[in-house]
Amino acid sequence: AQRVTQPEKLLSVFKGAPVELKCNYSYSGSPELFWYVQYSRQRLQLLLRHISRESIKGFTADLNKGETSFHLKKPFAQEEDSAMYYCALSNGFQKLVFGTGTRLLVSP
Amino acid sequence: EAGVTQFPSHSVIEKGQTVTLRCDPISGHDNLYWYRRVMGKEIKFLLHFVKESKQDESGMPNNRFLAERTGGTYSTLKVQPAELEDSGVYFCASSQRQGTGELFFGEGSRLTVL
Repeated sequence: AQRVTQPEKLLSVFKGAPVELKCNYSYSGSPELFWYVQYSRQRLQLLLRHISRESIKGFTADLNKGETSFHLKKPFAQEEDSAMYYCALSNGFQKLVFGTGTRLLVSP
Repeated sequence: EAGVTQFPSHSVIEKGQTVTLRCDPISGHDNLYWYRRVMGKEIKFLLHFVKESKQDESGMPNNRFLAERTGGTYSTLKVQPAELEDSGVYFCASSQRQGTGELFFGEGSRLTVL
């Protein structure tokens, strides 16, 4: 069965501190992994996907198949990064399986 | 360009009543999805339309839920009769192509069943 686990409901850091939002998945095939973000009063939107191997807003995420992880990282958090972050998995047919989300709070 | 729009933004009904949620996808997007987030839990897939056809409805909880997409444009999700456990936020999303993983979400319709 496909499953995405985000162990932290809330992650609170100070501005300028490094951030790592954890995501682990279970899937028997070759998954596609994504991070979606929902800022306050905005809609859920794609942040990045593992196949793009790109950095968006300073965030990166590396797919580690050995550890079945797709952690989201940023070296220096900004206040505007405060949001709800969802890790999601797809088997290629766009039926996304989401984790429960992690709320990131960046304090000044 | 208008994004995915959902109506109503919030609906409060009593157990046993009927509610219909509407979603207008981005123009030209053949794929339309419904998801639901129950409080404290993950966002769960309900179903997927390709144009007017149901591609996958494996996430629909039970036969109290009926989704339609007549003409392949907007979609409605009807809950009849509503139960307490149906409370949550219902998200609609659309996409142009399959396999890219980028879904464009609406703001969601919050349903509260009393």
